[in-house]
Amino acid sequence: AQTVTQSQPEMSVQEAETVTLSCTYDTSESDYYLFWYKQPPSRQMILVIRQEAYKQQNATENRFSVNFQKAAKSFSLKISDSQLGDAAMYFCAYRSDGYGQNFVFGPGTRLSVLP
Amino acid sequence: KAGVTQTPRYLIKTRGQQVTLSCSPISGHRSVSWYQQTPGQGLQFLFEYFSETQRNKGNFPGRFSGRQFSNSRSEMNVSTLELGDSALYLCASSSYGLAGALGNEQFFGPGTRLTVL
Repeated sequence: AQTVTQSQPEMSVQEAETVTLSCTYDTSESDYYLFWYKQPPSRQMILVIRQEAYKQQNATENRFSVNFQKAAKSFSLKISDSQLGDAAMYFCAYRSDGYGQNFVFGPGTRLSVLP
Repeated sequence: KAGVTQTPRYLIKTRGQQVTLSCSPISGHRSVSWYQQTPGQGLQFLFEYFSETQRNKGNFPGRFSGRQFSNSRSEMNVSTLELGDSALYLCASSSYGLAGALGNEQFFGPGTRLTVL
């Protein structure tokens, strides 16, 4: 079974600085998708960024980028120019490519942004 | 497009009662998944429905059940509630099965906060 690990339960970053959240996963599949979701306090979970495993190029969405290392099964999220609104719980998630495959979520990293 | 909606948003029940939660997916989405979120266990997958069929099931007791209707709306039922069932229940919809890689993204609802006393 696939597993997703986030080794940093909590992290903090100064406003305008850069922070990297770690995620590793375990799978024997070759085709899959990886996601970072953000859950602000008492608010809805939203997708931050997604990566297809067959793509070597790292995904980027504005201030958010990933470092995808397929061989190492690592998928870290870098947040540049951190803003107060980035404070949230961040979940790394995995889904293999194929019918009937469910999402597997990591335990989450709580990010605080200090003014 | 309207997002995923869940009703009710908050619910208080007592042990032994049963509860039904509702989820309306994004229009056109046929896949609906349910998750239980607690501070101690994180996000745990309950089950997924696709075109009215349960396609996947997590490791939860039989007290947890669900169904999906022809309009893709889904309900989740928990019978004989226990204190440990207190949690945020999240519903997520996906267009998986319709077209391409984008179908693998899940869109979450705001959740139903269930408190069992």
